[in-house]
Amino acid sequence: GNSVTQMEGPVTLSEEAFLTINCTYTATGYPSLFWYVQYPGEGLQLLLKATKADDKGSNKGFEATYRKETTSFHLEKGSVQVSDSAVYFCALSDPQGAQKLVFGQGTRLTINP
Amino acid sequence: DSGVTQTPKHLITATGQRVTLRCSPRSGDLSVYWYQQSLDQGLQFLIQYYNGEERAKGNILERFSAQQFPDLHSELNLSSLELGDSALYFCASSPGQGKNIQYFGAGTRLSVL
Repeated sequence: GNSVTQMEGPVTLSEEAFLTINCTYTATGYPSLFWYVQYPGEGLQLLLKATKADDKGSNKGFEATYRKETTSFHLEKGSVQVSDSAVYFCALSDPQGAQKLVFGQGTRLTINP
Repeated sequence: DSGVTQTPKHLITATGQRVTLRCSPRSGDLSVYWYQQSLDQGLQFLIQYYNGEERAKGNILERFSAQQFPDLHSELNLSSLELGDSALYFCASSPGQGKNIQYFGAGTRLSVL
């Protein structure tokens, strides 16, 4: 079946460091890929998305590129801020399953000043 | 604010009881999805409704049921509650069944004591 694997957390960085959170997926068909972010005590917010191979999603300085050849959708940011501290979820929408989302296990990111 | 409203925010109840979680989708959205977030299982899809009809089922227990009403709000009913049902329950909505973004509510935190 479809699945998403994220890099193990937690991840702790200093402010202005470079961030990469790895995400790989297994899917049949052509899923859309997403990064969602969950701030403490809140629901999930869509951070960025890509709907086809080689698409690059970007938002708030974060970027991720849909790589079909490596089945990956790694999240990157050039210079993180304390306010980026949150849990990040990689997800795919199941094209065979009414577009339900399949999530990775989440990566908790803490940025220290 | 995603436009998806979930009530109540918190629910504390005892084992064996029954509870109802409510979700109002964004204006105009026809699809409602329910997800469960727990420490051991992560974020799991439970069930999806589209314009009042059930369209997809995930790992939803037989003790759980849902429905979508003519005004498009949805309710998730959880019965014969067990300690292991303690989790954060999210509702998400999207315009239709195609490659649409899902917008999440803030969740209902259920504690079964």
